[in-house]
Amino acid sequence: GENVEQHPSTLSVQEGDSAVIKCTYSDSASNYFPWYKQELGKRPQLIIDIRSNVGEKKDQRIAVTLNKTAKHFSLHITETQPEDSAVYFCAASLNTGGFKTIFGAGTRLFVKA
Amino acid sequence: NAGVTQTPKFQVLKTGQSMTLQCAQDMNHEYMSWYRQDPGMGLRLIHYSVGAGITDQGEVPNGYNVSRSTTEDFPLRLLSAAPSQTSVYFCASRKEGTGELFFGEGSRLTVL
Repeated sequence: GENVEQHPSTLSVQEGDSAVIKCTYSDSASNYFPWYKQELGKRPQLIIDIRSNVGEKKDQRIAVTLNKTAKHFSLHITETQPEDSAVYFCAASLNTGGFKTIFGAGTRLFVKA
Repeated sequence: NAGVTQTPKFQVLKTGQSMTLQCAQDMNHEYMSWYRQDPGMGLRLIHYSVGAGITDQGEVPNGYNVSRSTTEDFPLRLLSAAPSQTSVYFCASRKEGTGELFFGEGSRLTVL
């Protein structure tokens, strides 16, 4: 089955700096790669996603890149702000046919003011 | 729409007791799933369902049962609780053909 590895487990940056979180997946059939943000005590919520027919997607300060050959994808947050502090999860799934969404272990991001 | 609703939010059990975590969604989503969240281990899939009457195992199914008699409801049953089942449980749903999972608020379970 699918296995998703996520690094680093903890990331601390200064406000205004960039943050990068990396994930690798094992099942080459996976075709949908979402990223979720979970604030303390809250539920995870989708912040950005990418499908396997796209190499990069951007939404304001966040962007995701996908390398299908290497089976890895990354989340990039620019101009970080204290409100970006949260746990971020990457995930991989099959969007058609298979329905399992498998998550990485999460990255706790601290943005220091 | 209320979205995904989980009950109870908090529960304390003794080892060996049974209980059911309830999950309901009002978005007419075909897909529903249960995850457990433990420190440093992310969200691990317990069971999932692609529609009424259809369920399947996820990554960590042992000790849990599910059923899906209606599109709206997907309860998770612990038949004989163990301390290793102490965790935060999330129910999530999504519409067929789309990717975004909509999560409930979570249920914190402690097994003594």
